[in-house]
Amino acid sequence: DTGVSQDPRHKITKRGQNVTFRCDPISEHNRLYWYRQTLGQGPEFLTYFQNEAQLEKSRLLSDRFSAERPKGSFSTLEIQRTEQGDSAMYLCASSSESNTEAFFGQGTRLTVV
Amino acid sequence: EDQVTQSPEALRLQEGESSSLNCSYTVSGLRGLFWYRQDPGKGPEFLFTLYSAGEEKEKERLKATLTKKESFLHITAPKPEDSATYLCAVQDTSGTYKYIFGTGTRLKVLA
Repeated sequence: DTGVSQDPRHKITKRGQNVTFRCDPISEHNRLYWYRQTLGQGPEFLTYFQNEAQLEKSRLLSDRFSAERPKGSFSTLEIQRTEQGDSAMYLCASSSESNTEAFFGQGTRLTVV
Repeated sequence: EDQVTQSPEALRLQEGESSSLNCSYTVSGLRGLFWYRQDPGKGPEFLFTLYSAGEEKEKERLKATLTKKESFLHITAPKPEDSATYLCAVQDTSGTYKYIFGTGTRLKVLA
């Protein structure tokens, strides 16, 4: 297993368009997280799944954001009607029940123009 | 509410000049404290997990320590390749498994 995989690595979209990102976690990990990071800031929690159940979602998260994890494997994060303020690096991470540390993917850099 | 504060925001060192980065945290109960390294344009890379006060972990030139209120990442005789942003995160025992991150320390090691 090569680790957490995210696709695409870069996305440029026009304001108002919808975008979808994919995350493939480490295969034996049942917890999956989405974070957002802007320049000079630490990662900001968006949501997390245990298997296919979405157990927590940030209060700050707009209803334009939705995430799914069908069958407890890969996950998708969709942003509808993108705004310039959505420009950021979107990071996915996964962890197992037996170990507390999370491992991150390389991220998807979103630019909204 | 859980909170993580890192200092300094940025640090410039000469090669071989040892120093420490600080991570102060506030949690209702600590499940774990985590250190990550992040290179520009990449995702964070896991370094250490610390669980209880007094615990220490080492890896090459890095050593992480933990007290009840803060953690230190000590860098001994750093090299230019240690230049990166170092992130600290906590996970509490309240039932959620999310990680709360600080804003990081940007380290630059000059040759």
